[in-house]
Amino acid sequence: GAVVSQHPSWVICKSGTSVKIECRSLDFQATTMFWYRQFPKQSLMLMATSNEGSKATYEQGVEKDKFLINHASLTLSTLTVTSAHPEDSSFYICSARVSREKLFFGSGTQLSVL
Amino acid sequence: AQTVTQSQPEMSVQEAETVTLSCTYDTSENNYYLFWYKQPPSRQMILVIRQEAYKQQNATENRFSVNFQKAAKSFSLKISDSQLGDTAMYFCAFMKPNNNDMRFGAGTRLTVKP
Repeated sequence: GAVVSQHPSWVICKSGTSVKIECRSLDFQATTMFWYRQFPKQSLMLMATSNEGSKATYEQGVEKDKFLINHASLTLSTLTVTSAHPEDSSFYICSARVSREKLFFGSGTQLSVL
Repeated sequence: AQTVTQSQPEMSVQEAETVTLSCTYDTSENNYYLFWYKQPPSRQMILVIRQEAYKQQNATENRFSVNFQKAAKSFSLKISDSQLGDTAMYFCAFMKPNNNDMRFGAGTRLTVKP
């Protein structure tokens, strides 16, 4: 079946630094990928839709300059958390569209900002 | 905007028994997809079952089945012969066919007791 690889699985960084998270579709091409954020014991909240070759579409309330998304190829989307602060600590999950009604999820990245 | 409501934050069931998780949603769309995802402690999102709104027949996957009531906008998940490995967070999700971003309910934490 389709596999979505997300890396790293966890990262600890200092406040003020930037962190990049990668989401790769391993055996299919994904023109559209999605980035979600999940706080402890809460649901997944869509942050943005990543479109290959064009600008990402951000959900209301998500800072574009804070969460930079790049989808430069059909198999890779990256999320960069810039100037990270402790309140950015969260679990970030990507997903990729395989077909009209199928999405596959990455394994997630736990970000801890000290 | 579409909303998904899961009114049961936590549920428990004895091993081998049957449990039903509730989900309601609100949409003005006529065609859409509904999903149940399982998130175990590993936090990997695992697709449990999928229902297409234009299909009247309830979806079934082994021990998992749904009761889809389109007019009532209800989409409950029944787990039969519950197993210890079913212990997880369960999320109900809604997706329109043309844009693929998935909206999740708040989740239900299910515990299967031995």
